[in-house]
Amino acid sequence: AQSVSQHNHHVILSEAASLELGCNYSYGGTVNLFWYVQYPGQHLQLLLKYFSGDPLVKGIKGFEAEFIKSKFSFNLRKPSVQWSDTAEYFCAVISNNNAGNMLTFGGGTRLMVKP
Amino acid sequence: EPEVTQTPSHQVTQMGQEVILRCVPISNHLYFYWYRQILGQKVEFLVSFYNNEISEKSEIFDDQFSVERPDGSNFTLKIRSTKLEDSAMYFCASSVSSSMEFFGPGTRLTVL
Repeated sequence: AQSVSQHNHHVILSEAASLELGCNYSYGGTVNLFWYVQYPGQHLQLLLKYFSGDPLVKGIKGFEAEFIKSKFSFNLRKPSVQWSDTAEYFCAVISNNNAGNMLTFGGGTRLMVKP
Repeated sequence: EPEVTQTPSHQVTQMGQEVILRCVPISNHLYFYWYRQILGQKVEFLVSFYNNEISEKSEIFDDQFSVERPDGSNFTLKIRSTKLEDSAMYFCASSVSSSMEFFGPGTRLTVL
């Protein structure tokens, strides 16, 4: 069964600091990869996704993620965070043998950006 | 922009009672999902629904759970006899095709 690991559970940064959140998955076949964000009091929103092609994908709000197949990783990055980026970030995977197309989520990383 | 809606936003119930959580998926979407997130834990898949039947379900989705699309617009999750451990945030999601799920705001279920 596929699994997703996010090793940073809580991250605290100051504004303008650079961000990198780790995500590793366990499935060895073809995967579709996602990052979702959940702002306080709001629902899950898609930040970016990777299906194929350029392994460096750009999402909304200046976020990007890089798919490294050899490392089974899909880390999320942002060069300069803002206070408004305070949220919980979830990495998720769909594998190509997943008949129901359901997402497997990582445990989430709670990011706090200090003004 | 179309969005998935869920009602109620918060449901409080007594243990052993039945609850129905309601979702209105985005209108042209064909795939529907329920996920849940117990406080402090991962978001977990419960069930997916396509073409008026369950296409996949997790171990969590036992006989106490059922889903229905009663009228072509709503998508409901029923828990027949709630347990304390059913307390969680329940998210509905929908997609027009595979791999592009849009999530609703969630219903917080509290079982006392």
